[in-house]
Amino acid sequence: QLHLQESGPGLVKPSETLSLTCTVSGGSISSSDYYWGWVRQAPGKGLEWIGSLGVFYSEKTYYNPSLKSRVAISADRSTNQFSLELTSVTAADTAVYFCAGEDCTLTSCSADYFDYWGRGTLVTVSS
Amino acid sequence: QSVLTQPPSASGTPGQRVIISCSGGKSNIGSNTVNWYQQFPGMAPKLLIYRRNQRPSGVPDRFSGSKSGTSASLAISGLQSEDEADYYCAAWDDSLNGQVFGGGTKLTVL
Repeated sequence: QLHLQESGPGLVKPSETLSLTCTVSGGSISSSDYYWGWVRQAPGKGLEWIGSLGVFYSEKTYYNPSLKSRVAISADRSTNQFSLELTSVTAADTAVYFCAGEDCTLTSCSADYFDYWGRGTLVTVSS
Repeated sequence: QSVLTQPPSASGTPGQRVIISCSGGKSNIGSNTVNWYQQFPGMAPKLLIYRRNQRPSGVPDRFSGSKSGTSASLAISGLQSEDEADYYCAAWDDSLNGQVFGGGTKLTVL
């Protein structure tokens, strides 16, 4: 059973870089059994997929085209964590950020859904 | 503006069957499977339906998904008060090369 936990600053200044980390327990981020990703939700709004990462799969990444120029998702195998960096943030990036994972133990990974989620962390962009 | 279109709200009475629709296009629903999530206020989303109407362990069979062409729907039968939540459809989009979500439907149990 996977457990995911987000961590990082809750307040970021405009134009700076938002950095979040997701700590995974119950499974190795390097395993072929998992795909990882980030989803965000602005206050009172719907879900927005940010991107996904397959550490085992040559660290293949997929990014939301609307964020691609500002976003990077990476992994640290030594700490079993994966991270999100979003540059040049504005107030529009204020949201609850969820890290999530796809458990593809019983089937092939598809990177198109998440069955494990962190609790989410609110990041506010404000000076 | 979400790539997938859902009605903002839906409602039903206990025991009723409710259907939530999700409309997309050829590059997403028309080409790939549709996934559904349930989200309660202040909580993380929970996967309800994935890969051609599969349900994760623990999800009751009252929840079912279907797809026709570029539209999909989530059916909830035997509606219960605890089903009151937000529901999101999602799919892979081959043109965008990523996941897309619907705007969400707030389900009220009257």
